This record gives sequence, structure tokens and C-alpha cells, in this order.
Amino acid sequence: DAGVTQSPTHLIKTRGQQVTLRCSPISGHKSVSWYQQVLGQGPQFIFQYYEKEERGRGNFPDRFSARQFPNYSSELNVNALLLGDSALYLCASSLPPLLASGNTIYFGEGSWLTVV
Amino acid sequence: DQQVKQNSPSLSVQEGRISILNCDYTNSMFDYFLWYKKYPAEGPTFLISISSIKDKNEDGRFTVFLNKSAKHLSLHIVPSQPGDSAVYFCAASYSGGGADGLTFGKGTHLIIQP
Repeated sequence: DAGVTQSPTHLIKTRGQQVTLRCSPISGHKSVSWYQQVLGQGPQFIFQYYEKEERGRGNFPDRFSARQFPNYSSELNVNALLLGDSALYLCASSLPPLLASGNTIYFGEGSWLTVV
Repeated sequence: DQQVKQNSPSLSVQEGRISILNCDYTNSMFDYFLWYKKYPAEGPTFLISISSIKDKNEDGRFTVFLNKSAKHLSLHIVPSQPGDSAVYFCAASYSGGGADGLTFGKGTHLIIQP
């Protein structure tokens, strides 16, 4: 079975531009979450989607948005890019959104975004 | 305000010995804890988890211990192998607030010396 797949793997954007990152969850998983990891830090929660609805949002500005499609894949959009948005963007999938004993979250390999 | 803390940025252990990675948390609402391993240029890989109703969970060479009163957990790797060299992240969540996602520590870089 394929794991969580993300695209693109690397990209370079200019300040002020917009970027769209894509994610396909593990087959059968209905929940997708997005995380941002800057160098030297742990991943930070951005969004969680379950059954195509936003179920949670971390402390990120409105420039960040996401959506989930009927096939449970997801897109993360970031508008008006800043230099500080340079990071590894991780997508994760899980069966239900709530974590409980025996459930876990699986991560993709991430999309490296560099803003210049 | 860091709710999950990994106070050791790096740890060096000899091959074959025990590696002990520590993690502290401040939010008493957390009731589910996970450890992830991350190689450079890859996404985090799930290692092991523990629910707050337990104080120990074991999976092969990996054991996680939870001390709720101290708000402390640790990951033990025995015996340590060269392939264990990676960054290890501790993460926490509370089942009633799954929509808040996982809260991660900053990670500990484990280096296994031959």
C-alpha cells in the first residue's frame, strides 16, 4: 500500500507569490492534517480536515488555507509568501481525526518550500 | 509557550548500549503520546505510542515509559544500532481535542557511535 504522498517535493517561490501543495492520504484514511516544520524546530500543526470539513486550525495567519476533496486528498495554499514561510510542509493522514490508543498519524515525506 | 519539551538537543550513545530520550510536557490535558523518528530529507516515521492509562509500552527494541505525576516520558532503545541515528520527536495530543493536532517537541538528535 502506498503511504502518504506529497507533491511537489521541492519548490522555490518569490516573496509575494502564492503556492499550492498537494497530499494524498493512505488508502482508507479520511483525515488529513498539515504541519509546518522550520529548521531546528518540531512540526507545528496548521490544519486538520476530516470528511472534507475543517476540524481544527493551528496558530497560523489567514494567508494559509486548505481544502479536502471527495477522494480525501488535500491541498494547502499559502498566499502572499514571506521569507519566514520557508519550511518543510508535512501532510499526515489518519483513520479518524481523534487520536486514541491504537490509532496514530502517518506522515508523508514533505514538500520543501524555499521563499526568496 | 512550549507545551512539549525535549531538553537535550543531541545525545551520543555507543552501539549496543541503551539510548534514553526524554520528554516533558506541561499540559495536563494531554492523554496520548507518540514518538517519531526522522531522517534528513524524509518525513517523520511513527515509532511507538502510549496512552495515559498506561505507564509502559514496549515494541521490540523500543519501550516508552510515562510518568503522569511528573509529566515526563522517556523512550528507551535497547540495544542501540547505527541505523537508530536520527532526530527523535516526542509528540502529544488529547483525545478530546484531536482537532488541535499533535504538539511536538523540538527533537533530540541521537548519534550512535560505532
